[in-house]
Amino acid sequence: RKEVEQDPGPFNVPEGATVAFNCTYSNSASQSFFWYRQDCRKEPKLLMSVYSSGNEDGRFTAQLNRASQYISLLIRDSKLSDSATYLCVAYNFNKFYFGSGTKLNVKP
Amino acid sequence: NAGVTQTPKFQVLKTGQSMTLQCAQDMNHNSMYWYRQDPGMGLRLIYYSASEGTTDKGEVPNGYNVSRLNKREFSLRLESAAPSQTSVYFCASSEAGPGGTYGYTFGSGTRLTVV
Repeated sequence: RKEVEQDPGPFNVPEGATVAFNCTYSNSASQSFFWYRQDCRKEPKLLMSVYSSGNEDGRFTAQLNRASQYISLLIRDSKLSDSATYLCVAYNFNKFYFGSGTKLNVKP
Repeated sequence: NAGVTQTPKFQVLKTGQSMTLQCAQDMNHNSMYWYRQDPGMGLRLIYYSASEGTTDKGEVPNGYNVSRLNKREFSLRLESAAPSQTSVYFCASSEAGPGGTYGYTFGSGTRLTVV
């Protein structure tokens, strides 16, 4: 079983829509969690950290549910520029474990 | 600008050739990592170095070696390249904090093709 699993998508949404992604992790000892954004042919870049009960940054909200071992990312009022692949990451014991990513396409 | 610098950005090798991918960071991070990214497979850890002087295998270490030259530099070597090593390689660094860490900073990647 993979350490971190994500729905690959793609999620195709119109501008202005609200979209949510979920990610599950298998190791209950995972200490911290992150969402990364990766544009085509570019390196991943940190979008948000999720340390405890959740985190909000403008239109983006990340939630952590330790009991069910999943994290989520909510994007409100989607912009064309939000089109990218979103990677879920779990950290434990000096290692980061990446999901395969969820692709988001925001359409005009 | 502060960050992680990888060289080269592109490389084509013939099967059996060797090469070293270079990575340097100027953020004074303790930990450094090498990943490969293949379509549909996501990012897979090759090797990592939790601190200067230590290296450990990740998920897919076969066919690779690493050297943590000093705190700034972490190189990845392919001794005898194979077509299966065609991939995009990312170096990253991080600073572990109490109870977890602050996330990675990635280099811009090396696109390697082995023919």
